[in-house]
Amino acid sequence: NAGVTQTPKFQVLKTGQSMTLQCAQDMNHEYMSWYRQDPGMGLRLIHYSVGAGITDQGEVPNGYNVSRSTTEDFPLRLLSAAPSQTSVYFCASSYYHSTGELFFGEGSRLTVL
Amino acid sequence: GIQVEQSPPDLILQEGANSTLRCNFSDSVNNLQWFHQNPWGQLINLFYIPSGTKQNGRLSATTVATERYSLLYISSSQTTDSGVYFCAVELVEETSGSRLTFGEGTQLTVNP
Repeated sequence: NAGVTQTPKFQVLKTGQSMTLQCAQDMNHEYMSWYRQDPGMGLRLIHYSVGAGITDQGEVPNGYNVSRSTTEDFPLRLLSAAPSQTSVYFCASSYYHSTGELFFGEGSRLTVL
Repeated sequence: GIQVEQSPPDLILQEGANSTLRCNFSDSVNNLQWFHQNPWGQLINLFYIPSGTKQNGRLSATTVATERYSLLYISSSQTTDSGVYFCAVELVEETSGSRLTFGEGTQLTVNP
């Protein structure tokens, strides 16, 4: 099992550009989520999904879109990148509907100039 | 929303020392997890511990849900224990499912 796989690991964007962070898991987990981590802070929830076709907003959803067309994939889209979105992004998944043990990807470091 | 406070924010130890990290939370929670973020940024789940006590090698954790705190114990610390330790709690909300709220972490440095 590869676990939770995120791509790309590093990305530099210019303000206003759009991009998609990919996340895939091969553990047949129902629950997937995206967090961002800023220096000196904990992780903050952006969006989450409790199953294919179902998504919901977390604590900091503005400027991001998600979709969940399959159980395995949960991409995060930045519609028009802003410097405030410079961060490290983590995708996570768990087996149970109501967050079981959470497994994280290795993170994607995004810089917006 | 729920508040999660971790203490201490920073901790420096000599190899072989023991330590206790604390997590306080402001509301009743359904669940609590401890994570270790190593110096390369990787996040590893240490314990999934809504209540009671668990042990895994030199690490153990205790959650007293009724008093809204959890403790992570590290015994005989090693340099590889360095990194940031996060506590995260789950508050089940009827209308929108569940989500984890993270504390700001405890930065642990273990010196040889």
